[in-house]
Amino acid sequence: QQPVQSPQAVILREGEDAVINCSSSKALYSVHWYRQKHGEAPVFLMILLKGGEQKGHEKISASFNEKKQQSSLYLTASQLSYSGTYFCGTVPGSARQLTFGSGTQLTVLP
Amino acid sequence: GAGVSQSPSNKVTEKGKDVELRCDPISGHTALYWYRQSLGQGLEFLIYFQGNSAPDKSGLPSDRFSAERTGGSVSTLTIQRTQQEDSAVYLCASSLGTANQPQHFGDGTRLSIL
Repeated sequence: QQPVQSPQAVILREGEDAVINCSSSKALYSVHWYRQKHGEAPVFLMILLKGGEQKGHEKISASFNEKKQQSSLYLTASQLSYSGTYFCGTVPGSARQLTFGSGTQLTVLP
Repeated sequence: GAGVSQSPSNKVTEKGKDVELRCDPISGHTALYWYRQSLGQGLEFLIYFQGNSAPDKSGLPSDRFSAERTGGSVSTLTIQRTQQEDSAVYLCASSLGTANQPQHFGDGTRLSIL
């Protein structure tokens, strides 16, 4: 079952912060985050394993609440290069492959 | 090679024709995935290969779609009797193994059915 991402789209100015959420109806073992720029392949950002850990990548970090089956991606002091579509991918405990959400389109304006 | 390689990058064909899409994964990656991405949409899982295990075909939309992976490396996705709704970008990804490893994507094949 496909995880639900919100918001579907967000527009912000350079330097502003944004949060993208991903929730699942299934118990999760891990959550992946990827970014896809227009016309390009998705690029891996980070994986969070169950345990509620938080990880960071430059000024992009994420959390994973195993009990709520939710993950959030935090973009701090956004840069123009952050523009793109962000996908979460979830791995339920018994699954062998990812199920991706429908994506969140992020646009950073100067 | 340095990354996942897919060919062709673009394919235009007539409705009813068969097409073959190729994926060459990163050397040493035992897991290989095929996804379909329609315009402005998310990533739809098609099929997953892991080592010598039986592939997970649960995402294939119809029996016109099939895939094989020879020698644990190169994979071919075949679509028979193509339909206009098959038009999409077909992405291949590979990873070191389990679902908890990062997936590395190729640039995709843009398939257009006339």
